[in-house]
Amino acid sequence: QKEVEQNSGPLSVPEGAIASLNCTYSDRGSQSFFWYRQYSGKSPELIMFIYSNGDKEDGRFTAQLNKASQYVSLLIRDSQPSDSATYLCAVPRRGNYQLIWGAGTKLIIKP
Amino acid sequence: DVKVTQSSRYLVKRTGEKVFLECVQDMDHENMFWYRQDPGLGLRLIYFSYDVKMKEKGDIPEGYSVSREKKERFSLILESASTNQTSMYLCASSLFREGFGDEQYFGPGTRLTVT
Repeated sequence: QKEVEQNSGPLSVPEGAIASLNCTYSDRGSQSFFWYRQYSGKSPELIMFIYSNGDKEDGRFTAQLNKASQYVSLLIRDSQPSDSATYLCAVPRRGNYQLIWGAGTKLIIKP
Repeated sequence: DVKVTQSSRYLVKRTGEKVFLECVQDMDHENMFWYRQDPGLGLRLIYFSYDVKMKEKGDIPEGYSVSREKKERFSLILESASTNQTSMYLCASSLFREGFGDEQYFGPGTRLTVT
């Protein structure tokens, strides 16, 4: 089992709908989680950070953490064509400064 | 805002050449990282540094070396470039926060082609 797993997609969602992206992780002790967005040909940019319990909302983006099932979700409401990108999930590796990266989910928002 | 800059956006080198990729960050971050990103393989860590003159190997260090003489600058060196090192190279920096982990901030990337 990979340490951080994401469905590679592509995930196709109609404009205006909710896009739901999932990320599973293997270390039950993980406490913090990062979501990055990467446009084609560009570098990843941090869009959400969630720590420990509960949901976190930032504008149209909501990160949800389910520790019992060991997954974290990113919901994008009112999806726009500009949301079309690859979304990367990352989890800190315990004991050092690294992040463990998922392979990313490609999201396509269809007008 | 954190700013991470990389010396080149695009680079074309010949097999066997020594290649230097430079990365500079302006936020006094302790940690710096070099990744390569290839289609279908995701982000792979080459080396990272948690302090000046300190470095640790990542997942794929073979064929690479690094240098960190100043806190703000982290260089990746390809001693003898090979075609299988054609890739997108991404530099990142971060400030470790206890209990939270690292938020990594990326430079724009260098697309290196080795012919």
